[in-house]
Amino acid sequence: DGGITQSPKYLFRKEGQNVTLSCEQNLNHDAMYWYRQDPGQGLRLIYYSQIVNDFQKGDIAEGYSVSREKKESFPLTVTSAQKNPTAFYLCASSRTGTFYGYTFGSGTRLTVV
Amino acid sequence: QKEVEQNSGPLSVPEGAIASLNCTYSDRGSQSFFWYRQYSGKSPELIMSIYSNGDKEDGRFTAQLNKASQYVSLLIRDSQPSDSATYLCAVNIPPSTFIFGSGTRLSVKP
Repeated sequence: DGGITQSPKYLFRKEGQNVTLSCEQNLNHDAMYWYRQDPGQGLRLIYYSQIVNDFQKGDIAEGYSVSREKKESFPLTVTSAQKNPTAFYLCASSRTGTFYGYTFGSGTRLTVV
Repeated sequence: QKEVEQNSGPLSVPEGAIASLNCTYSDRGSQSFFWYRQYSGKSPELIMSIYSNGDKEDGRFTAQLNKASQYVSLLIRDSQPSDSATYLCAVNIPPSTFIFGSGTRLSVKP
């Protein structure tokens, strides 16, 4: 079955630590996205990529980094520069173009300890 | 600042009633509109898309779009307790991304 796999489901980060969230898809989608969701708020775009080896900053990219070395994979690193990283992180993919909706992964819940 | 506005709710309806969820958007250049359902603690799932003015029906769901008024809505007929969730409106921001509303929480009472 095609889909998007995010791991881990839960992640705990200590102060000053970088952590990497994994996102893998086997839908053959060109575009991939990372969103952050805080309680009672909508999804905010962190980074997106429409093609391998290219990615663009979203609205809240500061303190985050990504790579897109393979079509199937779009990992997100939350760096120590991100001062308030506790949130629900969602990876999504879609076919390229305006008229295609997203398929979301199951999410990673990140907590600072 | 491009925006998508939704009433946060909760919207409470009795089982079997019609639930009406509304969304307004600011970018007149937007061309595609989506509704996602998100159960508590889970990720969103796509339930409806609409691109042209008018109504689009899919089972118990009807999406309505009025580009002149910059307004999109979702009607859920014969609401069931299993429809209780947060509904997110997403609007495309040309050329290639979407902006999401903060969602409307729907509660269907048996």
